[in-house]
Amino acid sequence: NAGVTQTPKFQVLKTGQSMTLQCAQDMNHNSMYWYRQDPGMGLRLIYYSASEGTTDKGEVPNGYNVSRLNKREFSLRLESAAPSQTSVYFCASSDMARTYEQYFGPGTRLTVT
Amino acid sequence: DAKTTQPPSMDCAEGRAANLPCNHSTISGNEYVYWYRQIHSQGPQYIIHGLKNNETNEMASLIITEDRKSSTLILPHATLRDTAVYYCIAHAGGTSYGKLTFGQGTILTVHP
Repeated sequence: NAGVTQTPKFQVLKTGQSMTLQCAQDMNHNSMYWYRQDPGMGLRLIYYSASEGTTDKGEVPNGYNVSRLNKREFSLRLESAAPSQTSVYFCASSDMARTYEQYFGPGTRLTVT
Repeated sequence: DAKTTQPPSMDCAEGRAANLPCNHSTISGNEYVYWYRQIHSQGPQYIIHGLKNNETNEMASLIITEDRKSSTLILPHATLRDTAVYYCIAHAGGTSYGKLTFGQGTILTVHP
């Protein structure tokens, strides 16, 4: 089992460019999440998907969109990147009955110049 | 979720027990205490959780005070690989189900 995989691992964007961060899990989990982590800070929830076909805003959704493509995949899109979105992005998944036990991917390190 | 307070950093000698405290004095009756850790540059890893009874698993033990206002995560025999940031989270289900709030945590450094 690969667990939770994220692509790309690193990305540099110019202000105003767009990109999509990809996340996939092979644990048959219903729930998936996107977090961001700024230097020296804890994680903040951007969006989550409780189950296939549903998505909801987290603590810091502005500037992002998400798509729950199927049960396995949950993507995060930055339509017009800003320097304030420079961060490490983590995707996570969990069983719907154990949402407190989240499994995290390795992260995508994004720099917006 | 109730606010949690943790010391910013702690040290521990390899092979000794690491006791990481967490204060959650405003925790409500339906909130559990969860612990995660984040080893440098990796995604966080779930460790353990509890409501009011002490809990133990293969990674750690969790001691919750009787009034539930504080808890301690115990790593019984710390190794260098336990060096990480440890997050204590108080969280209930309901409408906030799965929406965990990670604070700044405690940086645990295990030294030889």
